[in-house]
Amino acid sequence: EIVLTQSPATLSLSPGERATLSCRASQSVSSYLAWYQQKPGQAPRLLIYDASVRAAGVPARFRGSGSGTDFTLTISSLEPEDFAVYYCQQRSTWPPFTFGQGTKLETK
Amino acid sequence: EVQLLESGGSLVQPGGSLRLSCAASGFPFDNYALSWVRQAPGKGLEWVSHISDSGDETYYADSVEGRFTVSRDNSKNTVFLQMNTLRVEDTAIYYCAKEVQQVGLFDYWGQGILVTVSS
Repeated sequence: EIVLTQSPATLSLSPGERATLSCRASQSVSSYLAWYQQKPGQAPRLLIYDASVRAAGVPARFRGSGSGTDFTLTISSLEPEDFAVYYCQQRSTWPPFTFGQGTKLETK
Repeated sequence: EVQLLESGGSLVQPGGSLRLSCAASGFPFDNYALSWVRQAPGKGLEWVSHISDSGDETYYADSVEGRFTVSRDNSKNTVFLQMNTLRVEDTAIYYCAKEVQQVGLFDYWGQGILVTVSS
């Protein structure tokens, strides 16, 4: 099973700042990595797939990068609605599809 | 508009059974695989089960293998999760998630349904 480790667990920033979230895989997942955003009481929302492709309707301030075992989600300038929990997920080797434990992006 | 609506969640005793349903609309149901993903209270996301578009292929997480069974009725645009021998650690919100043509990528999710296993 591929284990995804996200860091940091919690990131405290202010609106307008740049956020950098990390996801590391226990073995290569090539580019088969996605990022999801989850707000309290809501289902996850697909943001990024295949490491760097934005899903439909996702603002350009969200950027995914990386390949192999190291991946980054960057939010260039935080908007108030971006404060949420972010999960990475791999579909390279399955079953199982696996998720990281999440990074909580909170307001400073 | 794609919609996924889960139902069937409730409070059940350890060792009991429950059947979840996910009714889909807004897309050609029999062209897409679906998965169940769960989230324990205050915890992260855990993939539970996958079923192919035809229903011929099914896969499960080790934690539910042998206890849960996923199935689908393409004539009714519905996917099911039969959960037997439930454990306290199965307590979670269960989401139905549609996969895109690339298997394992979840583009639409239901609102989730709560399953509580407690005595």
